[in-house]
Amino acid sequence: AQSVTQLDSQVPVFEEAPVELRCNYSSSVSVYLFWYVQYPNQGLQLLLKYLSGSTLVKGINGFEAEFNKSQTSFHLRKPSVHISDTAEYFCAVRTAGFQKLVFGTGTRLLVSP
Amino acid sequence: GAGVSQSPSNKVTEKGKDVELRCDPISGHTALYWYRQSLGQGLEFLIYFQGNSAPDKSGLPSDRFSAERTGGSVSTLTIQRTQQEDSAVYLCASSLEVAAYEQYFGPGTRLTVT
Repeated sequence: AQSVTQLDSQVPVFEEAPVELRCNYSSSVSVYLFWYVQYPNQGLQLLLKYLSGSTLVKGINGFEAEFNKSQTSFHLRKPSVHISDTAEYFCAVRTAGFQKLVFGTGTRLLVSP
Repeated sequence: GAGVSQSPSNKVTEKGKDVELRCDPISGHTALYWYRQSLGQGLEFLIYFQGNSAPDKSGLPSDRFSAERTGGSVSTLTIQRTQQEDSAVYLCASSLEVAAYEQYFGPGTRLTVT
């Protein structure tokens, strides 16, 4: 069965500092990878996705992620965070041929001035 | 255009009562998904619809949970004889088609069972 691991439950960072949110997945078949953001009392919004091709994926709000097949990782990065980036971030995987998303437990990004 | 909408936004019910949660997908989206977000279990898949049929119901936690979709549009998730462990945020998502990769999520319904 697929699983997604987000090792960091919370990541505190200062405004304008870089950040990396880690995601590892387990699957022996082709996968599609996603990062979603959830602001308080809101639904999930797609930040970016990896389907195929270039392993470096750029998304909205200045975020990017790199797919590393050998390490089964899909870490999310931003070179300079803003206060408004404070939210919960979820990594998700979808196995080829299946429709459901399997989510990690989430990482709360806390940006302080 | 309008996004995925869900109603009610909040629902408080007594243990043992039945509840119905509604999802209106984005117009024209043929695939619809239900997920549950709870403190203990995180975000988990419940069921998805392609049109009015549900090819994958594997995430429904028990036979107290059921869902239907009519007219290829609105979906209702029903929980019978609610238990306290059913307390969670129920999220609905839709996509243009099952093969589409992007799922658009609604704001969720927060269910509290007292």
